Amino acid sequence: NAGVTQTPKFQVLKTGQSMTLQCAQDMNHNSMYWYRQDPGMGLRLIYYSASEGTTDKGEVPNGYNVSRLNKREFSLRLESAAPSQTSVYFCASSDRANTEAFFGQGTRLTVV
Amino acid sequence: DQQVKQNSPSLSVQEGRISILNCDYTNSMFDYFLWYKKYPAEGPTFLISISSIKDKNEDGRFTVFLNKSAKHLSLHIVPSQPGDSAVYFCAASVAQKVTFGTGTKLQVIP
Repeated sequence: NAGVTQTPKFQVLKTGQSMTLQCAQDMNHNSMYWYRQDPGMGLRLIYYSASEGTTDKGEVPNGYNVSRLNKREFSLRLESAAPSQTSVYFCASSDRANTEAFFGQGTRLTVV
Repeated sequence: DQQVKQNSPSLSVQEGRISILNCDYTNSMFDYFLWYKKYPAEGPTFLISISSIKDKNEDGRFTVFLNKSAKHLSLHIVPSQPGDSAVYFCAASVAQKVTFGTGTKLQVIP
């Protein structure tokens, strides 16, 4: 049972480069989320998708774009990476916001 | 503006004793509250939740208490075990949006 799968697990980017973080879930969940975790800041919501075809901004959306490709997949794109985007990124999915969310293992991104 | 706050960054407890983790929130519209546990290099995993219409929910060794008038919730772990050592996040939701606290690192000393 895969649950939530994120790729890649680690990535180093140079300032100004672009990349896409991939996320897929196999639990037929409606909602999907992207968070970033920074020391002392907890988990901050970047974007979420309440259902297939919809996306909304979270607390810290600047510098990111998302695509809900289908019910299973929700990708996060950094168009022009900045050192401030160095973080651990987590994708999550849930049936609804008030039910438990399942998280991927995380992507550790370093922008130099 | 941090809507969900965990004011204690860390907590140490002896094995067998009670661990109490606290969380405060500012948004009275939150209607659901959840606790997650996180080990290093892993994603958070769900522990327990509570609806805003309740004041207590129990699941084995874990109990969550909600005090809506004080905008405060707490997680009690009894008895604490070394395997409970992890970072604990509280989270609150309204509509489809979930907001997490900053986390409390719990160390259970054998």
